[in-house]
Amino acid sequence: EPEVTQTPSHQVTQMGQEVILRCVPISNHLYFYWYRQILGQKVEFLVSFYNNEISEKSEIFDDQFSVERPDGSNFTLKIRSTKLEDSAMYFCASTFGYRGGYTFGSGTRLTVV
Amino acid sequence: QKEVEQDPGPLSVPEGAIVSLNCTYSNSAFQYFMWYRQYSRKGPELLMYTYSSGNKEDGRFTAQVDKSSKYISLFIRDSQPSDSATYLCAMSGAAGNKLTFGGGTRVLVKP
Repeated sequence: EPEVTQTPSHQVTQMGQEVILRCVPISNHLYFYWYRQILGQKVEFLVSFYNNEISEKSEIFDDQFSVERPDGSNFTLKIRSTKLEDSAMYFCASTFGYRGGYTFGSGTRLTVV
Repeated sequence: QKEVEQDPGPLSVPEGAIVSLNCTYSNSAFQYFMWYRQYSRKGPELLMYTYSSGNKEDGRFTAQVDKSSKYISLFIRDSQPSDSATYLCAMSGAAGNKLTFGGGTRVLVKP
């Protein structure tokens, strides 16, 4: 069964530092997403990416966040200057679009200290 | 009113019982409905995917969508202790659009 792969599984960073979270979506999928889940809360949409550009972003996805698909396989989320409240599980997801559901990765647990 | 509502539970059932889960939603534009299982500190795992109204069955799982009532359900037959997890409903308005999640229902299946 194809998987969405995320690295690292856990990252601890100092407040104000930049972090890059990495994802390898399923190879024939066309739509890519980042979601986050603060401990004990619901899964929240951050950004969607289609055809090499952002197709939608939430209010959470401010200027501190950026996404990139630098090659045909990787999809990254960068947080420029981390804050304590950025501590959460970050999930990458992908879908083909017109059939099947959305496949999620196992997540990166980001801890900002 | 929240866009997608889900009872947080916990829902505790004995092994072998039927687990019944549901979500209500307010956005009539939603057409694609999904159920995910999430274990603690893990990623959501897709269980069922349904387009528009109707029923869908896959093994022990049955998903139902009633768009007229804005209500979706998931039934798990012959529940096992390994089914103990949080179950999330999620939905979108068009293929490829963002998913909107419910808050999840925690399920405990006791041996």
